[in-house]
Amino acid sequence: DTGVSQNPRHKITKRGQNVTFRCDPISEHNRLYWYRQTLGQGPEFLTYFQNEAQLEKSRLLSDRFSAERPKGSFSTLEIQRTEQGDSAMYLCASILTEGEKKETQYFGPGTRLLVL
Amino acid sequence: TQLLEQSPQFLSIQEGENLTVYCNSSSVFSSLQWYRQEPGEGPVLLVTVVTGGEVKKLKRLTFQFGDARKDSSLHITAAQPGDTGLYLCAGSPIENNDMRFGAGTRLTVKP
Repeated sequence: DTGVSQNPRHKITKRGQNVTFRCDPISEHNRLYWYRQTLGQGPEFLTYFQNEAQLEKSRLLSDRFSAERPKGSFSTLEIQRTEQGDSAMYLCASILTEGEKKETQYFGPGTRLLVL
Repeated sequence: TQLLEQSPQFLSIQEGENLTVYCNSSSVFSSLQWYRQEPGEGPVLLVTVVTGGEVKKLKRLTFQFGDARKDSSLHITAAQPGDTGLYLCAGSPIENNDMRFGAGTRLTVKP
């Protein structure tokens, strides 16, 4: 399978616990996005990486959220001290960019988080 | 206020009917994408429109990008129950590299 993969697919945790999600993008894609999607809404942009550099973060990304892409390949999104409001689907997408040209982004299946 | 406004938010029709969903913005986009999303899955790309005024057809689906590259529409002819899903439009405004999504149109096609 050469698509975007995310692990785990589902995560149930108790309030206050830390969770970490992983995204493996399409191998040649140099840009990686994280989104959050709640029920009935479209995905909301959280952050994106160009190779290993984190270039932009949404104001939705509080201090409890941190994302890394250490080698410019896979990425992790960590949520510390989870709150019930963090319950959502977390989506990862990757895209190949060359200069100003951007190809199409492809999404992973998402990680559904439930905070009890 | 969302950068991309989609309408209608919900649409329930009978099999065989035609429908159009809209994606509007006050911003200019270098391209717009349409996705379909099933419950519990990530969005799946349907089409990317790049040129103002562009029309693309995908079987019974017709996508149009506005001349000013601020809006787009998706028209489905003779809808089928398999078309049921959440239809999302998305794009990056020309002034930045964020990818923004509309809230989606949830389509239900009844047999």
